[in-house]
Amino acid sequence: GAGVSQSPSNKVTEKGKDVELRCDPISGHTALYWYRQSLGQGLEFLIYFQGNSAPDKSGLPSDRFSAERTGGSVSTLTIQRTQQEDSAVYLCASSYGPPGTGSYEQYFGPGTRLTVT
Amino acid sequence: AQSVSQHNHHVILSEAASLELGCNYSYGGTVNLFWYVQYPGQHLQLLLKYFSGDPLVKGIKGFEAEFIKSKFSFNLRKPSVQWSDTAEYFCAVNVDYGGATNKLIFGTGTLLAVQP
Repeated sequence: GAGVSQSPSNKVTEKGKDVELRCDPISGHTALYWYRQSLGQGLEFLIYFQGNSAPDKSGLPSDRFSAERTGGSVSTLTIQRTQQEDSAVYLCASSYGPPGTGSYEQYFGPGTRLTVT
Repeated sequence: AQSVSQHNHHVILSEAASLELGCNYSYGGTVNLFWYVQYPGQHLQLLLKYFSGDPLVKGIKGFEAEFIKSKFSFNLRKPSVQWSDTAEYFCAVNVDYGGATNKLIFGTGTLLAVQP
């Protein structure tokens, strides 16, 4: 079946511009996560959506970062006024299961490589 | 704050050698533990996981890991590696806050290169 998809696969932007990254989770998965993978920082959690509950935004590094999930499916991560330190691979993952099912596997997408020049 | 430590950043082995990658976490409560692998050019995928029961868990491709609660460790092992095991390996922890979040906290990864 179809896995998690992300678009674009690569994005080059100028410092100060806004960018939007898209994630399509696996159909039927109620949980959606964004992570960031960068040199020196490894894989960092950004935000977690579960159904209609308020998202866990505890990993967002600044107020320039925001995310939404429409209709419990597609999610968009927006970075405003991009900075060079935002350059990283942004990974989306989804899983099946309500809160408290942390043992459920998270399925990862291919990522969006963001380069801020 | 919770953290995950992977002490081996880069490991080089010859085929048929045995592998053990260390993973330690800092949290005293209930945890779910994972090893993910990222093969060159591919997505992160799950190797194995532990959430309860037998602390020795077996995963895909002959990998296994042992959860030692007293040592806060979840080391990954494989008795005989193959060239195709060349990849980056990530240990991850989900802290069970009783349903508040399912986020994963990752280690910094170990890059394994297996020489034929």
